[in-house]
Amino acid sequence: SQQGEEDPQALSIQEGENATMNCSYKTSINNLQWYRQNSGRGLVHLILIRSNEREKHSGRLRVTLDTSKKSSSLLITASRAADTASYFCATDAIETGAQKLVFGQGTRLTINP
Amino acid sequence: GAGVSQSPSNKVTEKGKDVELRCDPISGHTALYWYRQSLGQGLEFLIYFQGNSAPDKSGLPSDRFSAERTGGSVSTLTIQRTQQEDSAVYLCASSLVGVRELFFGEGSRLTVL
Repeated sequence: SQQGEEDPQALSIQEGENATMNCSYKTSINNLQWYRQNSGRGLVHLILIRSNEREKHSGRLRVTLDTSKKSSSLLITASRAADTASYFCATDAIETGAQKLVFGQGTRLTINP
Repeated sequence: GAGVSQSPSNKVTEKGKDVELRCDPISGHTALYWYRQSLGQGLEFLIYFQGNSAPDKSGLPSDRFSAERTGGSVSTLTIQRTQQEDSAVYLCASSLVGVRELFFGEGSRLTVL
């Protein structure tokens, strides 16, 4: 089964609004990453948060991590049409030697102009 | 090149034929990953190479799938006797050792008729 599961599967909001996506995982991790994928393209790394961190910011992105709940959230503030993409969380499980990066199913985000 | 290069970008083949997909990682990246992404789905881990270590093949779905990495650089994913369920986008990614951020190629879209 997938280590990471995103919620919601799809999200549609108006430009300028904030978008929040959630990720849950099952086992202990070293770190959690978020990636973006534009339609028909490869994935692009957005941000990495370590297991001993609770919050991290990068531009309009804010990521939180709650290891007690095994969950993370990605907040995109002041969304733009160019933010339309699929967003994936990825984790490296300590039990598998932390080598294999496991991705969730993704959240498809649509920003309406 | 500046990024991860994959070829072919598109491949249409007939059921039962063998296919080879190529990945040229970023120069100096010792870690290389293959993932499979079915339409609208998340990424399924296939195989991981790290330097001269034995590859992690735990994600290969059947013995029809194999991969090699020559000279610690270029990798080839081979699918023998292709089936329709093999149709997907095959993504390659590379990273520096000890760095968890993956750099993805644009993928090879495989269609098995």
